[in-house]
Amino acid sequence: DIQMTQSPASLSASLEEIVTITCQASQDISNWLAWYQQKPGKSPQLLIYGATSLADGVPSRFSGSRSGTQYSLTITRLQVEDIGIYYCQQASSGPWTFGGGTKLELK
Amino acid sequence: EVQLQESGPGLVKPSQSLSLTCSVTGYSITSNYWGWIRKFPGNKMEWMGYISYSDSTDYNPFLKSRISIIRDTSKNQFFLQLNSVTTEDTATYYCARYYSSYFDYWGQGVMVTVSS
Repeated sequence: DIQMTQSPASLSASLEEIVTITCQASQDISNWLAWYQQKPGKSPQLLIYGATSLADGVPSRFSGSRSGTQYSLTITRLQVEDIGIYYCQQASSGPWTFGGGTKLELK
Repeated sequence: EVQLQESGPGLVKPSQSLSLTCSVTGYSITSNYWGWIRKFPGNKMEWMGYISYSDSTDYNPFLKSRISIIRDTSKNQFFLQLNSVTTEDTATYYCARYYSSYFDYWGQGVMVTVSS
């Protein structure tokens, strides 16, 4: 199975700050990566797919990037509504696997 | 709009079977793939399996001996059965639609506790 190591596990940031979350894949996943946001009490929502493509309706302050087997989610100008847990998911080969999650809180 | 809704018992006894229903509106389950994902206490997420538009299935090898996903196209529903549950199966269970190997629509989730 492909392991996805996500960091940090938790993050405290201020409004308008730039936030970056990373996922390290245990092997090449060739951009087959998604990011999800789960707000408190809600189900996960697809933010980014294909490592860099924004899902419908997702604000442009969210972006995804890749460097080798490391993938990053960046939130520019953090907003209150961005608080929640973020997950990466690899879709390169089954079984699909998720990162351990990053809990994002306001400082 | 595509909507998914899970339903089923919130409490299951150890060694029994867990059975959940996912009801889909706004889209036919005879298109795309449809899956089950669970989130454990502590936030770990696990893909469990899917059923395709053509009724084929694929399961997480970790669960393969215990899991079954079937569908009823007349009701636009698909179902999860997980046998021989233990307390380790306590989790929130989500059904979701696949879009090119990603999950683009999710149900609201149903919390299932395995306890005697």
